[in-house]
Amino acid sequence: DGGITQSPKYLFRKEGQNVTLSCEQNLNHDAMYWYRQDPGQGLRLIYYSQIVNDFQKGDIAEGYSVSREKKESFPLTVTSAQKNPTAFYLCASSIDRGQKGTQYFGPGTRLLVL
Amino acid sequence: GNSVTQMEGPVTLSEEAFLTINCTYTATGYPSLFWYVQYPGEGLQLLLKATKADDKGSNKGFEATYRKETTSFHLEKGSVQVSDSAVYFCALHNSGGYQKVTFGIGTKLQVIP
Repeated sequence: DGGITQSPKYLFRKEGQNVTLSCEQNLNHDAMYWYRQDPGQGLRLIYYSQIVNDFQKGDIAEGYSVSREKKESFPLTVTSAQKNPTAFYLCASSIDRGQKGTQYFGPGTRLLVL
Repeated sequence: GNSVTQMEGPVTLSEEAFLTINCTYTATGYPSLFWYVQYPGEGLQLLLKATKADDKGSNKGFEATYRKETTSFHLEKGSVQVSDSAVYFCALHNSGGYQKVTFGIGTKLQVIP
């Protein structure tokens, strides 16, 4: 089965701690994305990557970092600089850099602060 | 820039009622339009899409028609079921180089038996 997996489903962060959210896809898609979802705000783009070894900031990149060393993987690190990290994080991919608009989403990771 | 406007809800309907969720957009050129659905605790799934004016997207009894004259893409279903309870997102994408997808705020639908 092709798809996108995210882990863990729930993640707890302590004050001052960096945490990394995993996103893996076996759809052979070039482009991958990270979104943050908060109640009443829809989806906001954090980072995106159109191709391996390249990524760009989205609308709310401050306090986050990413890497794209492999086509299948696009991990997101929530750093201690992100002061309000509690949210639902969604990873997505699309077939190519031109995007064609259709995105395929993972099941999400809910990040909570202890 | 691009924008998508939809009501946040919740929209509460009885089973078998008619559903309309309004979506209007602002964009340059000729964007593609989408409806995504998110069931509780899950990611988003594409429900339907339309790529040019007057196109109708349809899936699972849901329909939406791309109306360029009114810049709208309203979602409709003739008879909702309890299993349709979810959050529905309208979205648009402009072609030409890299352009991000713009999502609406999401409309929560609750269907009661």
